[in-house]
Amino acid sequence: AQSVTQLGSHVSVSEGALVLLRCNYSSSVPPYLFWYVQYPNQGLQLLLKYTTGATLVKGINGFEAEFKKSETSFHLTKPSAHMSDAAEYFCAVSRNSGNTPLVFGKGTRLSVIA
Amino acid sequence: GAVVSQHPSWVICKSGTSVKIECRSLDFQATTMFWYRQFPKQSLMLMATSNEGSKATYEQGVEKDKFLINHASLTLSTLTVTSAHPEDSSFYICSAITGTGGNEQFFGPGTRLTVL
Repeated sequence: AQSVTQLGSHVSVSEGALVLLRCNYSSSVPPYLFWYVQYPNQGLQLLLKYTTGATLVKGINGFEAEFKKSETSFHLTKPSAHMSDAAEYFCAVSRNSGNTPLVFGKGTRLSVIA
Repeated sequence: GAVVSQHPSWVICKSGTSVKIECRSLDFQATTMFWYRQFPKQSLMLMATSNEGSKATYEQGVEKDKFLINHASLTLSTLTVTSAHPEDSSFYICSAITGTGGNEQFFGPGTRLTVL
């Protein structure tokens, strides 16, 4: 079975500050990991994904995440927060590269303060 | 990039009525589509897997007779909520994967259902 834990249901940062959203996973098989962003009343947009290879993954809008197998983590970071980054962020895990359903974490709401 | 649409984007209905939600892959063929449900301020939970030309596979605890899924073509899957009740009010999101076994799911924009 797979599961995802996102630490912190709500994170608040100042504009220009570092964004760090935490995600830990549990998987009995090598995981495929994803970060999605959801704006109010909208669907999910893929930020980035880890399948195989390089453990530091760069995504859209300046976000990146690092897969750390020893820590079973896949934290999402961005060096400098922008007001437009305010949204709900979901970490997800899959058994393969995307052909199976995703198991999502509970989400972290990011607020950016001017 | 691949585009998935959902219709309607929002719907309000009376308790006891049935509501149909469509999920379409606009520029690719999707042999498999997934239906998720999202309650307010909660995560997405998988409801069922829809495969073109065959019966849907439902997750444990999801009533297949209440949530009817039809995947009649490679570009269309429908979710019908039968005899809807207020507790069925939720955000329903579909996703689709390409027939070539691609490595990404493409999500629709979601449908917000409110049952009065």
